[in-house]
Amino acid sequence: ETGVTQTPRHLVMGMTNKKSLKCEQHLGHNAMYWYKQSAKKPLELMFVYNFKEQTENNSVPSRFSPECPNSSHLFLHLHTLQPEDSALYLCASSQDPAALENTEAFFGQGTRLTVV
Amino acid sequence: AQKITQTQPGMFVQEKEAVTLDCTYDTSDPSYGLFWYKQPSSGEMIFLIYQGSYDQQNATEGRYSLNFQKARKSANLVISASQLGDSAMYFCAMREGSNFGNEKLTFGTGTRLTIIP
Repeated sequence: ETGVTQTPRHLVMGMTNKKSLKCEQHLGHNAMYWYKQSAKKPLELMFVYNFKEQTENNSVPSRFSPECPNSSHLFLHLHTLQPEDSALYLCASSQDPAALENTEAFFGQGTRLTVV
Repeated sequence: AQKITQTQPGMFVQEKEAVTLDCTYDTSDPSYGLFWYKQPSSGEMIFLIYQGSYDQQNATEGRYSLNFQKARKSANLVISASQLGDSAMYFCAMREGSNFGNEKLTFGTGTRLTIIP
């Protein structure tokens, strides 16, 4: 247990569906992230939130919409996805980004998304 | 250009042997940090070890050590006395100095390590 919980663990959705991924951490961290992990590709950073403010959007299509209502929760809202969006979506959190050294990110177990 | 390169897509190692997982990186930033993560089949990424670019000594954490060769820009992970539970994907990652403050990690493609009984 890393302290970062993602739900659901598995999700199958049609291209016209709307669904949301949820991430929760109670580690006292102020930064939260969404990563996409596709087969045979490096992890791709999608979004970064520091103190509930989005600080990075890594050219992610608008069919992915993040939401960070507080520093403990992060959502990824999905709509009109494509089959190529099928991947493992990982949430991570880290402590106050003002701490510079060795602030490793703690990851959740991921949501395995399949778009049909 | 790839910032993190892991050239071994898969490795098979006999139990109790030591194993070295390769990682090379590319950055022009003098300040950076290197990380290794383990990803078992359950999916979560587990932090293993960290090496800062200014650290004089190689990092060690239990059975894990990082062979840091700065001039060669390599940060190989060494696992001593491998165990069956070490079977997993292993990712090398880097955070560059310009990214300190927003925790942006760049990951390699990973190495799948399988420990053979």
